[in-house]
Parts: sequence; C-alpha cells; structure tokens
Amino acid sequence: EDQVTQSPEALRLQEGESSSLNCSYTVSGLRGLFWYRQDPGKGPEFLFTLYSAGEEKEKERLKATLTKKESFLHITAPKPEDSATYLCAVQFYGNNRLAFGKGNQVVVIP
Amino acid sequence: EPEVTQTPSHQVTQMGQEVILRCVPISNHLYFYWYRQILGQKVEFLVSFYNNEISEKSEIFDDQFSVERPDGSNFTLKIRSTKLEDSAMYFCASARDNTEAFFGQGTRLTVV
Repeated sequence: EDQVTQSPEALRLQEGESSSLNCSYTVSGLRGLFWYRQDPGKGPEFLFTLYSAGEEKEKERLKATLTKKESFLHITAPKPEDSATYLCAVQFYGNNRLAFGKGNQVVVIP
Repeated sequence: EPEVTQTPSHQVTQMGQEVILRCVPISNHLYFYWYRQILGQKVEFLVSFYNNEISEKSEIFDDQFSVERPDGSNFTLKIRSTKLEDSAMYFCASARDNTEAFFGQGTRLTVV
C-alpha cells in the first residue's frame, strides 16, 4: 500500500493559469514532508520542508502548505520554466528514509 | 553552491558483472543515502549511512548491495552480480542533520 499519494498525476496549464498539486499520506507519526522538483533525467531538487499542520513555505511562484493528512503545492501564475515533475516525500519518526509519491507531472504551455 | 556529485553519469554493464557507483556528498553533511528510480516509477529508498555504518536499509538492499565510505569524501554503492532488473537511475543524497536531503544528478545504470 502506498504511503504517499499525489494527484493529479499529470497537469497541463496555460502560462499564468494558477493551480494546486495534492500530496496525501496515510501513516501517522510524520516527522517532515518534503517537496522536490525533478526535471527529466535529473536528480530531485529540494524545494521545501514542512513539519507541522498549518505551516506554509514560499519560493517565487510556489507555495507549500501542510494539514494533518495532506500537503498542497500551489503554483501561482506559472511560467513554462515551471514545467517539471513535483515530488512529495515524507519522513516518519523512527525512520531515516524518505518515502516518495509518484509525482505530479506539470507542463506549462506558453 | 555546494552540491552532491555522482560518477559516472551513465554506466553500461553486462549481466553478472559488478559495478561501483561513486558519490561525493556535500562536505559538512553527516547523513548519506542511496535511492534508485526505475524508469517511469517512483524514487525508492535503498540505504542510509551515518557514523560509518548503515542506519537503515530497505527490502531492496539485499546481499547483492553494499555501501562504503572509504575516505572522508567518497561514498560508494557496490552492486555485485548485476541483474537486468537493476537497470535504473541511482541517486546519492546527503543531509546535514537527517532532515532535508540534497540529491546528486544520478548515475544511469543499464544492465545488458
């Protein structure tokens, strides 16, 4: 059973069309939730860490939020360079590992 | 900006051969990891390494795999007797304090 579920799997946006990506997790004892960006053939690039419900982090056109069972990555007025796969990962107390979701593949059309 | 460096970027090997994937983590980091990503699938944890020993490993990390930190800068993943299903991107990552992990660009391993 997947611990981390991301939706939608794929998303096509017009440039400037804001949207949100969802990451939900099923196991309790969250130590941290992480968002990464991955370009084709490259390694995940760290974006944000969220530790507690209600926390928000922002970076340029991206804003990540966390509730008790899910996180959202909001993309405001996206540009073509925001096209990538966005990965959500969780770390639980007692583990070192990150458990990744399958990702949200975002394409921004000029 | 400090980064995790992996070599080689692409490795092709014959089934049954041994391969060593190399990584130079960020210099002041203490936690080291290997992950893999089979084409079209999610990133999967293999192993974490702290204080010169394995701190956690997944079900994937069986006797075929081993890790080593031979000196103060390198971190290696050895795969003995490679199989076709070992073909994947292998990512090394490091973290200062077991929170945000920073990933390298990966080694694409192709087993033929």
